[in-house]
Amino acid sequence: EAGVAQSPRYKIIEKRQSVAFWCNPISGHATLYWYQQILGQGPKLLIQFQNNGVVDDSQLPKDRFSAERLKGVDSTLKIQPAKLEDSAVYLCASSLEGPTYEQYFGPGTRLTVT
Amino acid sequence: GENVEQHPSTLSVQEGDSAVIKCTYSDSASNYFPWYKQELGKGPQLIIDIRSNVGEKKDQRIAVTLNKTAKHFSLHITETQPEDSAVYFCAAGDYKLSFGAGTTVTVRA
Repeated sequence: EAGVAQSPRYKIIEKRQSVAFWCNPISGHATLYWYQQILGQGPKLLIQFQNNGVVDDSQLPKDRFSAERLKGVDSTLKIQPAKLEDSAVYLCASSLEGPTYEQYFGPGTRLTVT
Repeated sequence: GENVEQHPSTLSVQEGDSAVIKCTYSDSASNYFPWYKQELGKGPQLIIDIRSNVGEKKDQRIAVTLNKTAKHFSLHITETQPEDSAVYFCAAGDYKLSFGAGTTVTVRA
């Protein structure tokens, strides 16, 4: 089966600019996750969707980050305006149901904010 | 929220030897404990997981143990091979997962 697709793979922007990431989960997976992975650290959950609805966004900096999952399939994560500390790899993952099911990760988008 | 601590941060082993990574967690409500392997430039991949009703699970050269009373769980890799070199993450949770900081494992030929 096809894996989780993400684009772009790399992005370089200046601080205060905006950026958007796209994720296409595995077909049939109800739950979609966005994680932020700063160099040398483990993934940190930003937002978790169950179908169209948000299950958890407690660690999403809502003043600058936003995410949506249209029709319960693809998802986009946006940062506006970006800060230097947003430099990280943004990972998208999906699972058949909730987090106690295996999460399949995409390759990630490496964001560099200068 | 859940806090997961992972040790050691780096681990170098001779090919054929065993590797052990340990994690502790803080939230007694956590009931799912997966381990992920991440290779350079790729997303993490699940290698083994354990649930709170099980104390130990084994899959070929990989095993995981869980001590719910002490709130710690461990990954054991036996007969290590060069392809085992990667970053390993533990995680814990139930309705959401919290990840440890990772262990960089290097297997020396």
